[in-house]
Amino acid sequence: EIVLTQSPGTLSLSPGERATLSCRASQSVSSSYLAWYQQKPGQAPRLLIYGASSRATGIPDRFSGSGSGTDFTLTISRLEPEDFAVYYCQQYGSSRYTFGQGTKLEIK
Amino acid sequence: QVQLQESGPGLVKPSETLSLTCTVSGYSISSGYYWGWIRQPPGKGLEWIGSIYHSGSTYYNPSLKSRVTISVDTSKNQFSLKLSSVTAADTAVYYCASIVSGAATISNWGQGTLVTVSS
Repeated sequence: EIVLTQSPGTLSLSPGERATLSCRASQSVSSSYLAWYQQKPGQAPRLLIYGASSRATGIPDRFSGSGSGTDFTLTISRLEPEDFAVYYCQQYGSSRYTFGQGTKLEIK
Repeated sequence: QVQLQESGPGLVKPSETLSLTCTVSGYSISSGYYWGWIRQPPGKGLEWIGSIYHSGSTYYNPSLKSRVTISVDTSKNQFSLKLSSVTAADTAVYYCASIVSGAATISNWGQGTLVTVSS
């Protein structure tokens, strides 16, 4: 099973700042099968990025994804108040899906 | 736009079977997505339970495989989850979702339903 480790666990930033979230895999992941989700309290997760770098429909261009192999990054260029949430990476391989443990992005 | 809605009991007794149904609207369940279940214990992260294609092909999380059954009813545009021999550790919000087969991406989620295992 591929284990995804996200860092940091919590990121404290101010609106307008740049956020960089990391997702590291225990073995190589196909970029085609790496996604990022945003989850706000009491809500279902929402797809942000698929295929490591493609934005889902309706996602603002301040969100971007990059990476390959075992290291992937979600970047939010300029934080808006609505961006403070928990972010999960997810991969698919060997007929199974696994998620990272999440990064909480909180207001500083 | 695909919409999904979970339904089922919010309270299940230990050792019994948890049963949930997901009703899909705005899209035919036979048209090409995979359909899946994901759960989230209170205050914790996400765990994939399993997925099904409209043909009936299933894929289960190995850690739950012995207790999980996912089925599809194309005539009702629904798919279902059964999880047997539940314990308190199965208490979670259960989400149903659509999965883009070519990208293995969870594109749409239901709102989730909290299932508590307690006597």
